[in-house]
Amino acid sequence: QKEVEQDPGPLSVPEGAIVSLNCTYSNSAFQYFMWYRQYSRKGPELLMYTYSSGNKEDGRFTAQVDKSSKYISLFIRDSQPSDSATYLCAIWAGNMLTFGGGTRLMVKP
Amino acid sequence: EPEVTQTPSHQVTQMGQEVILRCVPISNHLYFYWYRQILGQKVEFLVSFYNNEISEKSEIFDDQFSVERPDGSNFTLKIRSTKLEDSAMYFCASSDLRQPYGYTFGSGTRLTVV
Repeated sequence: QKEVEQDPGPLSVPEGAIVSLNCTYSNSAFQYFMWYRQYSRKGPELLMYTYSSGNKEDGRFTAQVDKSSKYISLFIRDSQPSDSATYLCAIWAGNMLTFGGGTRLMVKP
Repeated sequence: EPEVTQTPSHQVTQMGQEVILRCVPISNHLYFYWYRQILGQKVEFLVSFYNNEISEKSEIFDDQFSVERPDGSNFTLKIRSTKLEDSAMYFCASSDLRQPYGYTFGSGTRLTVV
């Protein structure tokens, strides 16, 4: 059973666009929902995390969780070329992080 | 901002050789982890370590692998007899008691087994 699924992309958008990145998960025991950004050949960098269903905003980034549908999203407003990276969703269930495969985002100037 | 430091950044080794990957977690963190990422694949959990012992390990973490915290600052991953399929990026991470889910990852060690 694939626990965390994510569209690999690549997703190419023009600068200034709103970006929507999505993941689905299968295990109801998952507790915390994280979004990481990973640049090529670097470690994942934590962007945001959330616990409950609903939205959480941090600057241009909004994380959304729908536990009833087992669906999580990350929205990026006013996307910038520097946002070009791979975005990983990850879910924590008390002992480890389980990652999605990542979506590669390219923001073109 | 505090960082997790990993050395070396790249290691090439011959099949069958032993390698040790080194990590210096953030100083006040108590939970330590190793993950790996084979090129083009997901970041996969290997092992978690707390209170000087392994708290969880995956199926990947077989007898060829071991972890150690030899002193108050270092956290190492040893692969006893490397195989070609061990070639991957290996990431160390740490987290603290207040937010055990808030991992900080290092930049990784790229291991190439030839």
